[in-house]
Amino acid sequence: GENVEQHPSTLSVQEGDSAVIKCTYSDSASNYFPWYKQELGKRPQLIIDIRSNVGEKKDQRIAVTLNKTAKHFSLHITETQPEDSAVYFCAASIGGYQKVTFGTGTKLQVIP
Amino acid sequence: GAVVSQHPSRVICKSGTSVKIECRSLDFQATTMFWYRQFPKQSLMLMATSNEGSKATYEQGVEKDKFLINHASLTLSTLTVTSAHPEDSSFYICSVGQGAEGYTFGSGTRLTVV
Repeated sequence: GENVEQHPSTLSVQEGDSAVIKCTYSDSASNYFPWYKQELGKRPQLIIDIRSNVGEKKDQRIAVTLNKTAKHFSLHITETQPEDSAVYFCAASIGGYQKVTFGTGTKLQVIP
Repeated sequence: GAVVSQHPSRVICKSGTSVKIECRSLDFQATTMFWYRQFPKQSLMLMATSNEGSKATYEQGVEKDKFLINHASLTLSTLTVTSAHPEDSSFYICSVGQGAEGYTFGSGTRLTVV
């Protein structure tokens, strides 16, 4: 089955700096890679996703890159703000209908 | 994306009793729903895939007789934790997959077994 690894497990950055979270996946059939932000006790919220037919996607301060050959994908948050503080999960699935495998999570702390 | 409603949001039960959690897809006919469990400070782990009109598919290590899943309609899947014990205390969350629209999660259920 799919295995998704995520690094780092914790990340502290100064407000205004950039944050980068990296993930790898094992199943070459995976073609949908969402990123979720989860606040304590709440449901995961989709912040950005990318499909295997593109290498990069950007939405304001958030961008995701995908390297299919290396089976790597990364989340980039620029100009971080205190409200970006949360746990972020990467994930991988096939098509968006099949089960999602989550990474282990990254606790991001943005220091004002 | 779909609107997914999950109830109850919190439940406290005594050890040995059963608890039922409902997951409703309010505006999308879901032939498949997913049930996850999340322990504190850990990731979401898939427990089972709920299939409308047929048996659920359980992940390795998940006891099917303990975690009963019923998906009798295209809008409702239920997870029943039978004979609950304190180690079953966790955050349970359901999800609906919509292909190009991605996945939508329910609001989750915090189960505490005392």
